[in-house]
Amino acid sequence: NAGVMQNPRHLVRRRGQEARLRCSPMKGHSHVYWYRQLPEEGLKFMVYLQKENIIDESGMPKERFSAEFPKEGPSILRIQQVVRGDSAAYFCASSPPSSSGNTIYFGEGSWLTVV
Amino acid sequence: GQNIDQPTEMTATEGAIVQINCTYQTSGFNGLFWYQQHAGEAPTFLSYNVLDGLEEKGRFSSFLSRSKGYSYLLLKELQMKDSASYLCAVRDRAGNMLTFGGGTRLMVKP
Repeated sequence: NAGVMQNPRHLVRRRGQEARLRCSPMKGHSHVYWYRQLPEEGLKFMVYLQKENIIDESGMPKERFSAEFPKEGPSILRIQQVVRGDSAAYFCASSPPSSSGNTIYFGEGSWLTVV
Repeated sequence: GQNIDQPTEMTATEGAIVQINCTYQTSGFNGLFWYQQHAGEAPTFLSYNVLDGLEEKGRFSSFLSRSKGYSYLLLKELQMKDSASYLCAVRDRAGNMLTFGGGTRLMVKP
Protein backbone atom coordinates (compact mmCIF):
# COMPACT_ATOMS: atom_id res chain seq x y z
CA ASN A 1 0.00 0.00 0.00
CA ALA A 2 1.82 3.05 -1.25
CA GLY A 3 1.96 6.06 0.99
CA VAL A 4 1.37 9.67 0.07
CA MET A 5 3.40 10.33 -3.06
CA GLN A 6 4.81 13.73 -3.86
CA ASN A 7 6.85 14.92 -6.81
CA PRO A 8 9.17 16.41 -7.56
CA ARG A 9 11.18 15.87 -4.40
CA HIS A 10 13.43 18.79 -5.19
CA LEU A 11 12.69 21.70 -7.49
CA VAL A 12 14.80 24.71 -8.37
CA ARG A 13 13.17 27.73 -9.96
CA ARG A 14 14.37 31.18 -10.90
CA ARG A 15 12.51 34.18 -9.58
CA GLY A 16 9.42 34.83 -11.68
CA GLN A 17 8.98 31.25 -12.86
CA GLU A 18 6.15 28.93 -11.94
CA ALA A 19 6.37 25.94 -9.61
CA ARG A 20 3.98 22.99 -9.75
CA LEU A 21 3.98 20.45 -6.96
CA ARG A 22 2.02 17.22 -7.23
CA CYS A 23 0.54 14.96 -4.60
CA SER A 24 -1.15 11.59 -4.90
CA PRO A 25 -2.93 10.62 -1.66
CA MET A 26 -2.84 7.20 -0.11
CA LYS A 27 -5.21 4.66 -1.62
CA GLY A 28 -8.71 5.15 -0.25
CA HIS A 29 -7.97 8.68 0.99
CA SER A 30 -10.10 11.47 -0.41
CA HIS A 31 -8.90 14.35 1.80
CA VAL A 32 -5.72 16.19 0.88
CA TYR A 33 -3.91 18.87 2.84
CA TRP A 34 -0.95 21.05 1.90
CA TYR A 35 1.47 22.40 4.51
CA ARG A 36 4.50 24.63 4.14
CA GLN A 37 7.59 24.47 6.32
CA LEU A 38 10.11 27.29 6.18
CA PRO A 39 13.68 26.51 7.28
CA GLU A 40 13.90 26.03 11.06
CA GLU A 41 10.17 26.63 11.48
CA GLY A 42 7.05 24.57 12.13
CA LEU A 43 4.49 23.29 9.66
CA LYS A 44 1.91 25.84 8.55
CA PHE A 45 -1.43 24.81 7.12
CA MET A 46 -2.14 26.10 3.63
CA VAL A 47 -5.18 24.39 2.14
CA TYR A 48 -7.54 21.46 2.57
CA LEU A 49 -9.17 19.84 -0.45
CA GLN A 50 -11.50 17.04 -1.31
CA LYS A 51 -12.09 15.80 -4.84
CA GLU A 52 -12.99 18.81 -7.02
CA ASN A 53 -13.57 21.01 -3.95
CA ILE A 54 -11.51 23.43 -1.90
CA ILE A 55 -12.80 23.05 1.66
CA ASP A 56 -10.51 25.42 3.55
CA GLU A 57 -7.90 27.71 2.02
CA SER A 58 -7.44 29.98 5.01
CA GLY A 59 -3.68 29.39 5.03
CA MET A 60 -3.06 30.17 1.39
CA PRO A 61 -1.40 33.45 0.45
CA LYS A 62 -3.91 35.65 -1.34
CA GLU A 63 -1.84 35.99 -4.49
CA ARG A 64 0.25 33.68 -6.70
CA PHE A 65 -0.76 30.46 -4.90
CA SER A 66 -3.50 28.09 -6.00
CA ALA A 67 -4.43 24.46 -5.40
CA GLU A 68 -6.67 21.91 -7.02
CA PHE A 69 -7.65 18.29 -6.59
CA PRO A 70 -9.34 17.15 -9.80
CA LYS A 71 -11.65 14.21 -10.18
CA GLU A 72 -8.86 12.30 -11.86
CA GLY A 73 -5.18 12.67 -11.10
CA PRO A 74 -3.10 14.15 -8.32
CA SER A 75 -3.59 17.29 -6.30
CA ILE A 76 -1.56 20.22 -7.61
CA LEU A 77 -0.13 23.14 -5.65
CA ARG A 78 0.79 25.90 -8.07
CA ILE A 79 2.97 28.88 -7.25
CA GLN A 80 3.18 31.57 -9.91
CA GLN A 81 5.97 34.14 -10.24
CA VAL A 82 8.01 32.59 -7.44
CA VAL A 83 10.07 34.76 -5.12
CA ARG A 84 12.96 33.87 -2.81
CA GLY A 85 10.61 33.77 0.18
CA ASP A 86 8.74 30.85 -1.38
CA SER A 87 11.78 28.63 -0.80
CA ALA A 88 10.50 26.00 1.62
CA ALA A 89 9.48 22.41 2.02
CA TYR A 90 5.91 21.75 0.89
CA PHE A 91 4.29 18.73 2.47
CA CYS A 92 1.13 17.05 1.31
CA ALA A 93 -0.93 14.91 3.69
CA SER A 94 -4.00 12.76 3.23
CA SER A 95 -6.70 11.12 5.32
CA PRO A 96 -9.69 8.84 4.72
CA PRO A 97 -13.22 10.21 4.18
CA SER A 98 -14.30 9.91 7.82
CA SER A 99 -12.87 12.72 9.91
CA SER A 100 -13.22 11.06 13.26
CA GLY A 101 -10.31 9.16 14.73
CA ASN A 102 -8.35 8.95 11.52
CA THR A 103 -4.69 9.66 11.22
CA ILE A 104 -3.32 12.14 8.74
CA TYR A 105 -0.29 10.82 6.88
CA PHE A 106 2.37 12.96 5.28
CA GLY A 107 4.24 12.57 2.04
CA GLU A 108 8.01 12.91 1.72
CA GLY A 109 7.74 16.57 0.79
CA SER A 110 8.80 18.75 -2.11
CA TRP A 111 11.74 21.08 -1.46
CA LEU A 112 11.47 24.25 -3.51
CA THR A 113 14.51 26.45 -3.93
CA VAL A 114 14.10 29.81 -5.65
CA VAL A 115 17.33 31.29 -7.00
CA GLY B 1 -8.15 29.70 16.46
CA GLN B 2 -5.47 27.46 17.89
CA ASN B 3 -2.40 28.26 19.99
CA ILE B 4 0.05 25.45 20.65
CA ASP B 5 3.18 25.71 22.77
CA GLN B 6 6.07 23.31 23.23
CA PRO B 7 9.69 23.80 24.26
CA THR B 8 12.06 24.69 21.46
CA GLU B 9 14.91 22.37 22.41
CA MET B 10 15.68 19.57 24.84
CA THR B 11 18.75 17.48 25.52
CA ALA B 12 18.81 14.01 27.06
CA THR B 13 21.20 11.11 27.51
CA GLU B 14 21.13 7.82 25.66
CA GLY B 15 19.20 5.21 27.67
CA ALA B 16 17.32 7.82 29.71
CA ILE B 17 13.68 8.93 29.70
CA VAL B 18 12.51 12.28 28.36
CA GLN B 19 9.12 14.00 28.53
CA ILE B 20 8.15 16.59 25.93
CA ASN B 21 5.25 18.79 26.96
CA CYS B 22 2.65 20.49 24.82
CA THR B 23 -0.02 22.94 25.89
CA TYR B 24 -2.81 24.16 23.69
CA GLN B 25 -5.62 26.68 23.62
CA THR B 26 -8.22 25.94 21.00
CA SER B 27 -11.65 27.02 19.91
CA GLY B 28 -12.39 23.43 18.98
CA PHE B 29 -10.74 20.09 19.68
CA ASN B 30 -10.96 16.76 17.94
CA GLY B 31 -7.75 15.01 18.85
CA LEU B 32 -4.06 15.61 19.45
CA PHE B 33 -1.24 14.11 17.40
CA TRP B 34 2.47 13.68 17.90
CA TYR B 35 4.81 13.39 14.93
CA GLN B 36 8.55 12.80 14.67
CA GLN B 37 10.52 14.66 12.04
CA HIS B 38 14.18 14.11 11.21
CA ALA B 39 15.98 16.96 9.48
CA GLY B 40 15.15 17.09 5.80
CA GLU B 41 12.49 14.41 6.06
CA ALA B 42 8.71 14.14 6.33
CA PRO B 43 6.83 14.06 9.65
CA THR B 44 6.15 10.50 10.77
CA PHE B 45 3.05 9.69 12.83
CA LEU B 46 3.78 8.61 16.41
CA SER B 47 0.57 8.80 18.41
CA TYR B 48 -2.99 10.06 18.61
CA ASN B 49 -5.05 10.97 21.71
CA VAL B 50 -8.67 12.05 21.72
CA LEU B 51 -9.70 10.90 25.21
CA ASP B 52 -7.98 11.71 28.49
CA GLY B 53 -5.29 9.31 29.58
CA LEU B 54 -2.17 7.53 28.48
CA GLU B 55 -1.61 5.78 25.16
CA GLU B 56 1.40 3.47 25.13
CA LYS B 57 3.14 2.25 22.01
CA GLY B 58 6.45 0.55 22.63
CA ARG B 59 9.08 3.00 23.85
CA PHE B 60 6.76 5.94 23.19
CA SER B 61 3.74 7.00 25.25
CA SER B 62 1.47 10.00 24.95
CA PHE B 63 -0.78 11.53 27.57
CA LEU B 64 -3.73 13.91 27.21
CA SER B 65 -5.69 16.05 29.66
CA ARG B 66 -8.42 17.91 27.79
CA SER B 67 -9.51 19.94 30.82
CA LYS B 68 -5.97 21.29 31.21
CA GLY B 69 -5.22 21.63 27.52
CA TYR B 70 -2.09 19.58 28.07
CA SER B 71 -0.31 16.66 26.51
CA TYR B 72 3.09 15.07 26.81
CA LEU B 73 5.12 12.62 24.79
CA LEU B 74 7.27 10.25 26.84
CA LEU B 75 10.25 8.56 25.24
CA LYS B 76 11.90 5.71 27.16
CA GLU B 77 15.25 3.98 26.67
CA LEU B 78 16.45 6.80 24.46
CA GLN B 79 18.52 5.90 21.43
CA MET B 80 20.75 8.14 19.35
CA LYS B 81 18.33 7.78 16.43
CA ASP B 82 15.63 9.47 18.54
CA SER B 83 17.43 12.78 17.94
CA ALA B 84 14.79 14.62 15.90
CA SER B 85 12.09 17.25 16.14
CA TYR B 86 8.85 16.23 17.82
CA LEU B 87 5.74 18.01 16.62
CA CYS B 88 2.55 18.41 18.63
CA ALA B 89 -0.57 19.04 16.52
CA VAL B 90 -4.22 19.61 17.36
CA ARG B 91 -7.10 18.73 15.06
CA ASP B 92 -9.96 21.20 14.97
CA ARG B 93 -13.57 20.47 15.84
CA ALA B 94 -14.49 19.95 12.24
CA GLY B 95 -12.01 17.13 12.28
CA ASN B 96 -9.99 18.23 9.35
CA MET B 97 -7.14 20.63 9.73
CA LEU B 98 -4.13 20.03 11.96
CA THR B 99 -2.49 23.00 13.63
CA PHE B 100 1.11 22.39 14.61
CA GLY B 101 3.26 23.73 17.38
CA GLY B 102 6.74 24.92 16.50
CA GLY B 103 8.26 21.55 17.35
CA THR B 104 10.74 20.46 20.00
CA ARG B 105 14.23 19.62 18.80
CA LEU B 106 15.52 16.72 20.91
CA MET B 107 19.24 16.00 21.04
CA VAL B 108 20.26 12.64 22.46
CA LYS B 109 23.84 12.50 23.70
CA PRO B 110 25.95 9.44 24.46
